[in-house]
Amino acid sequence: SQTIHQWPATLVQPVGSPLSLECTVEGTSNPNLYWYRQAAGRGLQLLFYSVGIGQISSEVPQNLSASRPQDRQFILSSKKLLLSDSGFYLCAWSAVAANTGELFFGEGSRLTVL
Amino acid sequence: SQQGEEDPQALSIQEGENATMNCSYKTSINNLQWYRQNSGRGLVHLILIRSNEREKHSGRLRVTLDTSKKSSSLLITASRAADTASYFCATAGAGSYQLTFGKGTKLSVIP
Repeated sequence: SQTIHQWPATLVQPVGSPLSLECTVEGTSNPNLYWYRQAAGRGLQLLFYSVGIGQISSEVPQNLSASRPQDRQFILSSKKLLLSDSGFYLCAWSAVAANTGELFFGEGSRLTVL
Repeated sequence: SQQGEEDPQALSIQEGENATMNCSYKTSINNLQWYRQNSGRGLVHLILIRSNEREKHSGRLRVTLDTSKKSSSLLITASRAADTASYFCATAGAGSYQLTFGKGTKLSVIP
């Protein structure tokens, strides 16, 4: 069966520090991968999605970046965090394009920038 | 914007009652999906209804879709305390590969 792992689960970082969140998927090949951010009491905002290795599409301009170095690995990074980067980050995968099938989410990474 | 909007923002009911949540969207869609999120956790897919479907059932869940009104509803029958969670609708346009989520309805089921 397919599983998705996301880490770290929580982290507290000072403003201006770097960030690296990792996500891996097991049990499937060539998944579509997504990074969403959820601010407190808000809906989910799509940040990046990837349909293959090295293929990254950005939905929102920001100081975050994403990379997909391997088929089932998706990394969210920042060189210098801002206070506004605080939030709950969710990685997800889908077997087909999201407009035809469901997304499977990880358990999330809660980031607090101080 | 493709974003769905759930209504109400919060709903509190007694265990055993039915809970109805609504979702409205703005443009044509390929499908509409409902997800559930327990506090501090990831989202879990509940049900997907395609644009050519009008109603779908899964256990205690019933979803309807009215494309002429650009709206959907999620009904949870005989609610349980364990149904307490936030519920989100997500839409995907015919020309888009991405899902856009609403802000959710926070459901509280009181034992």
